[in-house]
Amino acid sequence: DAGVTQSPTHLIKTRGQQVTLRCSPKSGHDTVSWYQQALGQGPQFIFQYYEEEERQRGNFPDRFSGHQFPNYSSELNVNALLLGDSALYLCASSLGQVATNYGYTFGSGTRLTVV
Amino acid sequence: QKEVEQDPGPLSVPEGAIVSLNCTYSNSAFQYFMWYRQYSRKGPELLMYTYSSGNKEDGRFTAQVDKSSKYISLFIRDSQPSDSATYLCAMGETSGSRLTFGEGTQLTVNP
Repeated sequence: DAGVTQSPTHLIKTRGQQVTLRCSPKSGHDTVSWYQQALGQGPQFIFQYYEEEERQRGNFPDRFSGHQFPNYSSELNVNALLLGDSALYLCASSLGQVATNYGYTFGSGTRLTVV
Repeated sequence: QKEVEQDPGPLSVPEGAIVSLNCTYSNSAFQYFMWYRQYSRKGPELLMYTYSSGNKEDGRFTAQVDKSSKYISLFIRDSQPSDSATYLCAMGETSGSRLTFGEGTQLTVNP
């Protein structure tokens, strides 16, 4: 049973560029949430997608946008990259916006470095 | 002030020790409390999930929630070198809501 798959695993971008990160949820899950984890910090919630719509959003600027596809996979897009966007980006999946007793299942993340 | 406070450590203990990890929070609306373990270069893995106040035990792990004090704990008995990781507390207002994480405690269990 495949867990959450994220790609790419590592990425280096230049300040001002745009980046797209991808996530395939765990089999049977239909909800995807994205988190940003800076070095030495806990993950911070970016947004959640369910039924192809953004349902919840954290305190992140509009440079951060996303999309969910009919097969439940998701993309995170970040425009006009800043040095401060360097972080581990985590995708978490769940079923029907309900974490249940198993919580969210996290992927291993994409390590983004902005230079 | 952060919504969730967690001592970042690092914490170093000998094998077999009892480990106590703690978080405090300020948001009274939090009802769901979780502990995640994160190994280096990996995503967080759920260890314990608790709703409201009380204790929950799973093998060597015990989670405690005291909503009156806004304080949660994770105890690890008979700690093993394989327990060496960063432990993150996380909280949510509803079962499907965003999670608010502590900054994590880095634990090393020495053989």
